[in-house]
Amino acid sequence: EAGVVQSPRYKIIEKKQPVAFWCNPISGHNTLYWYLQNLGQGPELLIRYENEEAVDDSQLPKDRFSAERLKGVDSTLKIQPAELGDSAVYLCASSFGAGSDTQYFGPGTRLTVL
Amino acid sequence: GQQLNQSPQSMFIQEGEDVSMNCTSSSIFNTWLWYKQDPGEGPVLLIALYKAGELTSNGRLTAQFGITRKDSFLNISASIPSDVGIYFCAGPSGSARQLTFGSGTQLTVLP
Repeated sequence: EAGVVQSPRYKIIEKKQPVAFWCNPISGHNTLYWYLQNLGQGPELLIRYENEEAVDDSQLPKDRFSAERLKGVDSTLKIQPAELGDSAVYLCASSFGAGSDTQYFGPGTRLTVL
Repeated sequence: GQQLNQSPQSMFIQEGEDVSMNCTSSSIFNTWLWYKQDPGEGPVLLIALYKAGELTSNGRLTAQFGITRKDSFLNISASIPSDVGIYFCAGPSGSARQLTFGSGTQLTVLP
């Protein structure tokens, strides 16, 4: 069974440019998460989806970050415009059911903003 | 929000040695999770603990859910080179069941 798929794996952009990350969760997992991981730290939740509904986006910086999961499967996280401090790894995870504590992570997208 | 404190921050051990790391919280957790993250990859779930006092093994890994529900321990026996990586503890908190992660323990196994 395929795991969580993310693309691209690496992205280098100049500040003020837009960037988008894509995630395909494990088949059948209706809950999808986007995390931010800074160097030397654990992942921090940005947004959680249950099917196509964003049920927890309190940590998402809404002035420049946006996310969507239109059909309740794939999801896209966008930053516009990117800032130097956005350089980090963006992880996507999925789980079966909203109450499941067992989340499966993708490999992440490493973003470098110059 | 809730914070998880992991120690040690990093460890250097000889191949074959046993390793112990722990995670503490000021708040009670009803579930403790231990993840391992290899360079360039996402965290992979190693062990999940659901009951205070529970001791669970996964191969050479053993984890315990502290009786107070405010701590957890992960032990690795007879370490091998592929044990190198960052180990995170995590637990769900709040009504949204948001996972809170510790800051990780970086393990290096020397040949």
